[in-house]
Amino acid sequence: QSALTQPASVSGSPGQSITISCIGSSSDIGSYNLVSWYQQYPGKAPRVMIYEGSKRPSGVSNRFSGSRSGNTASLTISGLQAEDEADYYCCSYAGNTYHVIFGGGTKLTVL
Amino acid sequence: QVRLQQWGAGLLKPSETLSITCAVFGGSFTGYYWSLIRQPPGKGLEWIGEINESGTANYNPSLKSRVTISIDTSRNQFSLNLNSVTAADTAVYYCARADNLGTTFDIWGQGTPVTVSS
Repeated sequence: QSALTQPASVSGSPGQSITISCIGSSSDIGSYNLVSWYQQYPGKAPRVMIYEGSKRPSGVSNRFSGSRSGNTASLTISGLQAEDEADYYCCSYAGNTYHVIFGGGTKLTVL
Repeated sequence: QVRLQQWGAGLLKPSETLSITCAVFGGSFTGYYWSLIRQPPGKGLEWIGEINESGTANYNPSLKSRVTISIDTSRNQFSLNLNSVTAADTAVYYCARADNLGTTFDIWGQGTPVTVSS
């Protein structure tokens, strides 16, 4: 089972919106609406931002939203702020054999 | 507030066994999957495996032959053993709590950096 495919980097200016894609297959994203997204600052543990495709945990800004279409999941951050600059990882359930797979990560730069 | 605290040896030689222990403070041990995830330097996250309070464990197929995850419910702890390590196992190892589906990691430990070098 290959890792999910994310762009290596994305960038945007403060106030803009950006979208990070996460491409999987019919064995993972396409079959299960169990995608989660994690934000990670350098040297820190990841933090869940979106779970089960589009749900936001308590305390996460509503500027973060998630969606899924076919084998692709997306994370959209609106109203970009400097504090959003971090690495973002998608994660999906992949069935009983592989269980959980992650994307390779996307570095978000706020210009 | 639930907190995970983890510890383990930080420097290993090739062929040795990596051991990480994770302690759960401030919350229930039941109803969750207790997971191990690693991150090689400068790279992405890799799921290693999980265990629930009943002792049912699931492993990443690519590591399954070398991994054992165990649980001690009396101490609210779970542990990772990864044997026959090589330089490719150099990474930061994280403990994490996953929901009952095992797919959302909502609480993370602080991470334990492990280096494998001769």
